Amino acid sequence: NAGVTQTPKFRILKIGQSMTLQCTQDMNHNYMYWYRQDPGMGLKLIYYSVGAGITDKGEVPNGYNVSRSTTEDFPLRLELAAPSQTSVYFCASREAGGLDTQYFGPGTRLTVL
Amino acid sequence: QQQVKQSPQSLIVQKGGISIINCAYENTAFDYFPWYQQFPGKGPALLIAIRPDVSEKKEGRFTISFNKSAKQFSLHIMDSQPGDSATYFCAASLPYGNNRLAFGKGNQVVVIP
Repeated sequence: NAGVTQTPKFRILKIGQSMTLQCTQDMNHNYMYWYRQDPGMGLKLIYYSVGAGITDKGEVPNGYNVSRSTTEDFPLRLELAAPSQTSVYFCASREAGGLDTQYFGPGTRLTVL
Repeated sequence: QQQVKQSPQSLIVQKGGISIINCAYENTAFDYFPWYQQFPGKGPALLIAIRPDVSEKKEGRFTISFNKSAKQFSLHIMDSQPGDSATYFCAASLPYGNNRLAFGKGNQVVVIP
């Protein structure tokens, strides 16, 4: 199992550009999450999904969109990049029921200039 | 508003010593309290977790102590090793909340030989 994979690892965007951060998990987990991590601020939940076709907002959803068409994939879309979106983005997944362990991907470091 | 507060912000410990990180929370409805460990350039990984029906949980050199009345929980790393140098995040989630984790800001622990 590769676990949770994220692409790209690094990206530099110009203000106003758009991009999609990819997240894939091969553990057949129903739950998936997107977090952003800013220095000294911990992790903040952006969006999450409890299964294919179901998504919901987290703590800091503004400026982002998500979709969940399959169990495996949970892409995060930035439509109009702003410097405030410079951050490290982590995707995580969890199986339904049972343990509450969230498994994190390696992250995408995004810089908006 | 930070729902989960960690202290101290950073910690330097000698090899073989005990590292103690504290976490305080406000919402008494939280029912799951994990600690995540993150190495530079990596995603967080679950280290140990506790539910409020027990006051202590131990896994190897790592122990969580939980004080429900004080709304605090702490991570103790016994016999600290240089390989334990990392950032540690406490978190909490609500029952029936789809395991949406509220993270603390993180503590950087450095273990010196």
